[in-house]
Amino acid sequence: EDKVVQSPLSLVVHEGDTVTLNCSYEVTNFRSLLWYKQEKKAPTFLFMLTSSGIEKKSGRLSSILDKKELFSILNITATQTGDSAIYLCAVEARGNEKLTFGTGTRLTIIP
Amino acid sequence: GAVVSQHPSWVICKSGTSVKIECRSLDFQATTMFWYRQFPKQSLMLMATSNEGSKATYEQGVEKDKFLINHASLTLSTLTVTSAHPEDSSFYICSALHANEQFFGPGTRLTVL
Repeated sequence: EDKVVQSPLSLVVHEGDTVTLNCSYEVTNFRSLLWYKQEKKAPTFLFMLTSSGIEKKSGRLSSILDKKELFSILNITATQTGDSAIYLCAVEARGNEKLTFGTGTRLTIIP
Repeated sequence: GAVVSQHPSWVICKSGTSVKIECRSLDFQATTMFWYRQFPKQSLMLMATSNEGSKATYEQGVEKDKFLINHASLTLSTLTVTSAHPEDSSFYICSALHANEQFFGPGTRLTVL
């Protein structure tokens, strides 16, 4: 059974701090790992990672995948209050398009 | 592009009634849609895969007779929660598959009294 574990479960930091969110996974026939940001409604897509060692970057957010260690991190630099959300990690296996989600990390940014 | 809508955005119903939730792909056709459920402070759990023109595929532990899925067209899938009970209260989210990527709807919050 595919499994995704995220840590920490929750994190509270001050505005301007840098945070690192972790995601480890077990999946048969890995295809991709995805990061989402969820505020009050449905998740919004952040990154899709398929290859090890290649950093994906979007503004203050970046992410990287380690397929050997079955691990990914999501970094957010110079955090802002608008970054407060639940960050979800999900993996997709080849052969079906189903996503297995982790429990998420609830990030709170204090002004 | 790749917008998915859900209707209603929230619904309150009495125990024992049935509730239908619609998921629409607005600017693309989706052969495959997914239905997820998210309880408070928990992650999204896949309930079923909805395939246009064929029966849905349910995940283990999800009762197919209670959660009826109909994917009658390439832009619409419906989830009907039959004989709803308070424990069915949850946030239901659909996604539609397009170009190998899932696009999520805004979700429907169901409260069963």
